[in-house]
Formats: sequence, structure tokens, C-alpha cells
Amino acid sequence: SQKIEQNSEALNIQEGKTATLTCNYTNYSPAYLQWYRQDPGRGPVFLLLIRENEKEKRKERLKVTFDTTLKQSLFHITASQPADSATYLCALLSDSWGKLQFGAGTQVVVTP
Amino acid sequence: DGGITQSPKYLFRKEGQNVTLSCEQNLNHDAMYWYRQDPGQGLRLIYYSQIVNDFQKGDIAEGYSVSREKKESFPLTVTSAQKNPTAFYLCASSPAGYSNQPQHFGDGTRLSIL
Repeated sequence: SQKIEQNSEALNIQEGKTATLTCNYTNYSPAYLQWYRQDPGRGPVFLLLIRENEKEKRKERLKVTFDTTLKQSLFHITASQPADSATYLCALLSDSWGKLQFGAGTQVVVTP
Repeated sequence: DGGITQSPKYLFRKEGQNVTLSCEQNLNHDAMYWYRQDPGQGLRLIYYSQIVNDFQKGDIAEGYSVSREKKESFPLTVTSAQKNPTAFYLCASSPAGYSNQPQHFGDGTRLSIL
């Protein structure tokens, strides 16, 4: 069966350090992978999209990599700030139409 | 500002009661979606609609119903047949139903059982 795995344990990190989150998937061949940020009691907000033929994508302090051989995406927040504290979700295409399948998310806590 | 508005923010359901969650968007998007979020689980798709007057079941449609009479609106009814309705419900939209387009989400409705 198809599965998306994100680390369920919260990632606690000191301000200024780099946070690295993992998204592993099985039984998918996604053409695209998306990352979202979700704050408590709010809806997810789109951050980045990476295509299968792209190895890396950057947006300001965010960087995403996509390794289709390892079936894994890494999400990096460099020079982390307390305002980066949130839950981060990865999402993959689940069928040809474009239904997204979401991971459960990883909570990031950045302490000053 | 364009966006998605969900109402109410909190909703309580009595046993045997149907309740309707509202979702309105002014982004001129064709595709709309309803998800359910439970603690420790990913978002699960309930229903989706690619165009007005058309919608399809998602992964967990049992006990739910929707309508899409207007492009801007996609209400979700949680029926009494849904035995475990307590969850956070999220509505989303995208320009069209393709995976290379991000989805825009509302701020959710939290449904609880009285």
C-alpha cells in the first residue's frame, strides 16, 4: 500500500541552527512533491513544490531536495527562527488527476 | 484579499443530527476539496470537485455529502451516519485539479460531539 512517513517526534532546535525534516514514501512514483506549513488551529500554507527532475529547490531560507531513487525528500530551514515553529507537511500526487496524499507532518520547535 | 473562508470555526453536533460546514472561496478556482485531520494523522480526502455541478468521493466519503452548485461554494454535510465525526475539517481549492498546483486552505472548522 502507499505510505508517506514523516518523523512523528517533534524536532527541537536552537535559533540560528538548520532544521532538517524527512519525508519518505513507498509505492508512489510522484511527478511532484509539495511542502506545507501548518500553525496550530490554522489551515496548511503552501511553501514549495519540487518536480521529479529537480534535485533541489530553494526559497529564501528554505531548501528542498528530492531523491526519487531513495524515495525521499529533505526539507531544510536554515538560520532557523522562533517564528519558524510550526508543523511541516509533505504531500505527494496520489493519482493521475492530482489528488494529494499528505504525510502526518513533523512539528518544529525553535527556541531562542 | 482573496482566500477561502470556512465557517463556523467551532461546531457541536448532537446525536442523530446532520450539520453543514460552509466553505467559500473568492480565488476563482475550479477545484475544491474537503479534508479531515485527526491528531497524528495526515489530511484525509473526503470529497473533491473539479468543476461546478460535479464532485467525486475521496478516501473517506462514508457519512458525508457535498454539493457544488456555485463555483465559489462547496459545503460539506456531516450526516448522522458518520459515527466518529469529531475532527478538524479543512477546505481547500486550486486553480485546477492538477498535482503541480498548490492548494489553498481555509482555517478549518473544529467539529465536536455534544
